Parts: sequence; C-alpha cells; structure tokens
Amino acid sequence: AQSVTQPDIHITVSEGASLELRCNYSYGATPYLFWYVQSPGQGLQLLLKYFSGDTLVQGIKGFEAEFKRSQSSFNLRKPSVHWSDAAEYFCAVGTNNAGNMLTFGGGTRLMVKP
Amino acid sequence: EAGVTQSPTHLIKTRGQQATLRCSPISGHTSVYWYQQALGLGLQFLLWYDEGEERNRGNFPPRFSGRQFPNYSSELNVNALELEDSALYLCASSSDIYEQYFGPGTRLTVT
Repeated sequence: AQSVTQPDIHITVSEGASLELRCNYSYGATPYLFWYVQSPGQGLQLLLKYFSGDTLVQGIKGFEAEFKRSQSSFNLRKPSVHWSDAAEYFCAVGTNNAGNMLTFGGGTRLMVKP
Repeated sequence: EAGVTQSPTHLIKTRGQQATLRCSPISGHTSVYWYQQALGLGLQFLLWYDEGEERNRGNFPPRFSGRQFPNYSSELNVNALELEDSALYLCASSSDIYEQYFGPGTRLTVT
C-alpha cells in the first residue's frame, strides 16, 4: 500500500523568504503526486500535480515541485512567500491500482512572519 | 464553472442518530469521492462512486454508506453516530483518474 510522509508538522518563515515543504512517498511504481492547500475551515485547493514527463512541475500561486524518483520525494517550493500563503499544505499520492483514492500525508502547517 | 458544493455547512447530531451529507460534483464529472478529516487522524479516504456504483471504500465500518444519483450528485450517510465521527467531511469530484477537486466540506459535530 502507498504512504506519504510530511516530516515537518509546522514551519515558520518570514515574508519574502523562500520555502520548501518536504514530501516523501512510498509506492512500488510511478505514482501520481499532488500538492493541496487548505485554509482554515476550508476545503482543499489543488496547487499542482505530477503524472509523468518533466520532473519539475509548475503550479498556481507561484509554487513548483520537483519529483525525484531516487529519493521518493516530491518537495514543494516557492521562491518568495507571501503572508496569504499561511495555510496547511498536504502532499498526496494517487494510483490507478488503488481505486483512484488519494493517500494524504499528515500535512504541514505554514506560518508566515511579517 | 461552479465548483463542488456540499451541504449542509455544519451539522450537529447526537450520539446514536443518523447524519446525511450531500455533495454536488462539478458539471461533467462522474466520479465522487468522500474523505474524512478528523482531528489527529488526518485525511482518510472513505468512499468512491462512479457512474452510480460504489467502486471502492476505505477502512471504515459499514455504518458509513452512501449513494450516487443519476445526476452524479452523492449522499453520505452515517448511521449510529459515535463521538469519534466528529470531523470535516470532504467531497471531491473528478472526470478522470488524474485530478480530484474538493468542496468546502461539511463539519459534523456529534454530541
């Protein structure tokens, strides 16, 4: 069965600083990988996805992520964080073999200092 | 294009009662997924419906059930509510295997 680990439960960065959120997955084949963002009391918004091809994927709101098969990682990055980026971020893996269900990591809560 | 909608926004029930949560997918999407986001347990897959059929379910007891209607909207029913069923229930829809779009969720509180 697939699994996702987000090692950092909380991260605090200063506004304007760069950001990297870590995600490691476990799955036997090439997974479908996703990053979602959740603002307090809200649903999940899809930031970006990776299925195949170019390992560096661009998403909305200036985010990007890089798939590294050798490290089983799919880290999310942003060069300059804005106060509005404060939210919880979830990495997820999906596979066609698992009935299309998404397996989520535990989430990373991002706080942005002014 | 309207997104995934869920109703009600909040639902308060007493232990032992039944709860019904509703979801309307994005127009053109035939698959609906339900997830539970409980405090301390994270996001867990509940159910997947496609073309009116239950295709897969997560590790939840049978008192969690649902259905999908001909217009692809879906209903999640939770019977014999327990305190630990208190959670945010998220519905997502998809037109293929690649992307799931989430609604705002229904906050269920069991007292």
